[in-house]
Amino acid sequence: DIQMTQSPSSLSASVGDRVTITCRASQSINYYLNWYEQKPGKAPKLLIYAASSLQGGVPSRFSGSGSGTDFTLTISSLQPDDFATYYCQQSHSSSYTFGQGTKLEI
Amino acid sequence: QVQLVQSGAEVKKPGASVKVSCKASGYTFTSYGINWVRQAPGQGLEWMGWISAYNGNTNYAQKLQGRVTMTTDTSTSTAYMELRSLRSDDTAVYYCARDRSVATGDFDYWGQGTPVTVSS
Repeated sequence: DIQMTQSPSSLSASVGDRVTITCRASQSINYYLNWYEQKPGKAPKLLIYAASSLQGGVPSRFSGSGSGTDFTLTISSLQPDDFATYYCQQSHSSSYTFGQGTKLEI
Repeated sequence: QVQLVQSGAEVKKPGASVKVSCKASGYTFTSYGINWVRQAPGQGLEWMGWISAYNGNTNYAQKLQGRVTMTTDTSTSTAYMELRSLRSDDTAVYYCARDRSVATGDFDYWGQGTPVTVSS
């Protein structure tokens, strides 16, 4: 299976900060990388698909970039609603895998 | 609007089986696949497998091969996930999620989750 490694595992930030989360794949996955946000007790929510495409209804302060093995999720100006856990997911191989998550805290 | 509504919480004993349902509405069921993802308490997301609602083809995570079966009932637009020989480490919230596109493999709609507790 393709291993997905996120960094950092946790991150403290303030409202208005610019935040970047990194996801690295154990082998090239082209652009087959998706990002999700999860809040406690809730199902994950799709933010970014195909590395850089913004899912409908997601605020434009979220952006994704990268290809091959290295990817980033950037939140340009943190809002109070953005404090959550973020996961990357590869869909290059037929056996999908998630990163371990990055918890974004105030 | 697209909705995936899952069955309710389950409590099972070790060695038993559990079957979770996921009823879809608001879209053409057979045009999309359904994935199952689970999350153990305090842990991350684990992909369990995928089923095509069009033809029933499946693809299971290797670690669950032989214990998991995913099926669909197109007459009721419902997907099912059965997990057998339950162990305590199968305790988790189980989610179904629609596969938005075979081309990108992302999950655009999710069910609300079904807690499954395995305990003697």
